[in-house]
Amino acid sequence: GQNIDQPTEMTATEGAIVQINCTYQTSGFNGLFWYQQHAGEAPTFLSYNVLDGLEEKGRFSSFLSRSKGYSYLLLKELQMKDSASYLCAVRDSNYQLIWGAGTKLIIKP
Amino acid sequence: NAGVTQTPKFRVLKTGQSMTLLCAQDMNHEYMYWYRQDPGMGLRLIHYSVGEGTTAKGEVPDGYNVSRLKKQNFLLGLESAAPSQTSVYFCASSLDSSSQPQHFGDGTRLSIL
Repeated sequence: GQNIDQPTEMTATEGAIVQINCTYQTSGFNGLFWYQQHAGEAPTFLSYNVLDGLEEKGRFSSFLSRSKGYSYLLLKELQMKDSASYLCAVRDSNYQLIWGAGTKLIIKP
Repeated sequence: NAGVTQTPKFRVLKTGQSMTLLCAQDMNHEYMYWYRQDPGMGLRLIHYSVGEGTTAKGEVPDGYNVSRLKKQNFLLGLESAAPSQTSVYFCASSLDSSSQPQHFGDGTRLSIL
């Protein structure tokens, strides 16, 4: 079967750095997406990786290793507004998105 | 910029009732999707459409039907609601099925009593 694993919850301090990991086992791979979802709101797109390596976008970076079935989302200079769930999703061989259950990130002052 | 609009935002139904969830997008996207989101689980694809007049089953299609009569609209129907269909339903759209991200509506919170 297809599986996306993320930690259920993480806690970090305002101003610090946090890394959210995602491991996947899917039937094929056609890209990996990270989304942010604030409580009670819609998921919003953060980043896309299809080749190995690091993609940087402001305070957020995303890394992919296809051989290891592994990605992480790195959030720097954490702000209180970064408190949200972070969803990892992999596009499989049928070009469908397989979603992880999400990591709830709690930021403490 | 409206993006993806879902109606209604909240609804309570009794078991056996029927209803239709509406989704409209103004981005001229070809692809549209209906997901459900339940606690502790990832988003699960119910049905999707790759263009006007087309629909296809996703991971959890049972108990749901869809229609895409116009490119900008994607309707999700529950013919006979069951308590197991209590969930948050999200509609999404995308320009293509490869590198372009999906854009989501604000969701419909549906409770079946």
